[in-house]
Amino acid sequence: DIQMTQSPSSPSASVGDRVNITCRASQSVSGYLNWYQQKPGKAPKLLIYTVSTLQSGVPSRFSGRGFGTEFILTISSLHPEDFATYFCQQTYIAPYTFGRGTKLESK
Amino acid sequence: EVQLVESGGGLVQPGRSLRVSCVASGFSFDDYAMQWVRQVPGKGLEWVSGIGWNSANIEYADSVKGRFTISRDNAKNSLYLQMNSLRVEDTAFYYCAKDITSGGSGTLDHWGQGTLVTVSS
Repeated sequence: DIQMTQSPSSPSASVGDRVNITCRASQSVSGYLNWYQQKPGKAPKLLIYTVSTLQSGVPSRFSGRGFGTEFILTISSLHPEDFATYFCQQTYIAPYTFGRGTKLESK
Repeated sequence: EVQLVESGGGLVQPGRSLRVSCVASGFSFDDYAMQWVRQVPGKGLEWVSGIGWNSANIEYADSVKGRFTISRDNAKNSLYLQMNSLRVEDTAFYYCAKDITSGGSGTLDHWGQGTLVTVSS
């Protein structure tokens, strides 16, 4: 199975900050990398798929880049509603493994 | 509006069986693959199983292969997960999720609210 490793695991940031979350795959997943956002008590929400395609309705402050084994989710200017947990997921090959999550906390 | 509503979770003893269901609305159910993903409360996400629009493509995580069976009834807009030989480590919220393709890509654009399955004696 492909292992997905996210870093940092629980960063703290302030409203207005630029935030980068990294996801590394144990082998190449080409461009098959998604990002989800999850808030407490809620189901995950698809933010970005195939590395950089924004899901409908997702604000443009979210962006993604990368290829192969290293990927980055960027929030250009943090809003209060962005404090949540973010998961990366590879869909290159089943099982479609997720990272362990990055919990973004308010500083 | 896409809605996915799971049901059937609950407390079950190790070794027993349980079936969870998901009823879909707001989209053409038979045009899309569907997936099950689980999450231990407070922990990460684990993909469990997926099924293509016509049930031709079915996949399972190794952790459930041989014990769980995914199925769908397009006439009833419903997805199922039959879980046999349940283990304590199967305890989790089980989410039903819509795939963005008909055959199954693993990319999930809509999720249900989840149903909690607790395996304990």
